[in-house]
Amino acid sequence: SQQGEEDPQALSIQEGENATMNCSYKTSINNLQWYRQNSGRGLVHLILIRSNEREKHSGRLRVTLDTSKKSSSLLITASRAADTASYFCATGKGGATNKLIFGTGTLLAVQP
Amino acid sequence: DVKVTQSSRYLVKRTGEKVFLECVQDMDHENMFWYRQDPGLGLRLIYFSYDVKMKEKGDIPEGYSVSREKKERFSLILESASTNQTSMYLCASSHITGTGTRWSNQPQHFGDGTRLSIL
Repeated sequence: SQQGEEDPQALSIQEGENATMNCSYKTSINNLQWYRQNSGRGLVHLILIRSNEREKHSGRLRVTLDTSKKSSSLLITASRAADTASYFCATGKGGATNKLIFGTGTLLAVQP
Repeated sequence: DVKVTQSSRYLVKRTGEKVFLECVQDMDHENMFWYRQDPGLGLRLIYFSYDVKMKEKGDIPEGYSVSREKKERFSLILESASTNQTSMYLCASSHITGTGTRWSNQPQHFGDGTRLSIL
């Protein structure tokens, strides 16, 4: 079952521009996570935001969470060609098993 | 750094074969997961394990089984491979934090994936 749905499905920008990706989900969550996947590789964890947090920063990444709208956004500032990848949101309900439900991803292309 | 190692990057098998995909993690994580990834469908959970010899079905367990005899190793088994099991398979592991009712999700750490083709 899909919990997170990313928007847009694909995004193409120039190096130096900002990239914004959105994620919507359907049920209550304990936390929301963002992952990056380079072509043909596994996923790499970027950032985790808990349900009682509204905003979180990590380097050039800024994540917001609006639990009333069941949505999150990932902003990458001053993008680089190396940021070209697919980005996935994943929602967790907590619990010892640490299950996450992943969305279908946004493919970001940063043109040099 | 956490390392999750999948035994093969690419694998080609024939319909009806029994296929084993192996995954090893080196961080003493309690939880391990197997996903398959298909275009337009994202990651779908096949099985997960929260302890040695413990396993639970995910969203798409049909046609698969798993084995976790040691904490660091989690194997995915395709009992009789079929062409619709051609996919990218990803293994992940994670730690548990919290107690009682206050469990908190932790990041999952992924291997590089096995691209499996069933002919």
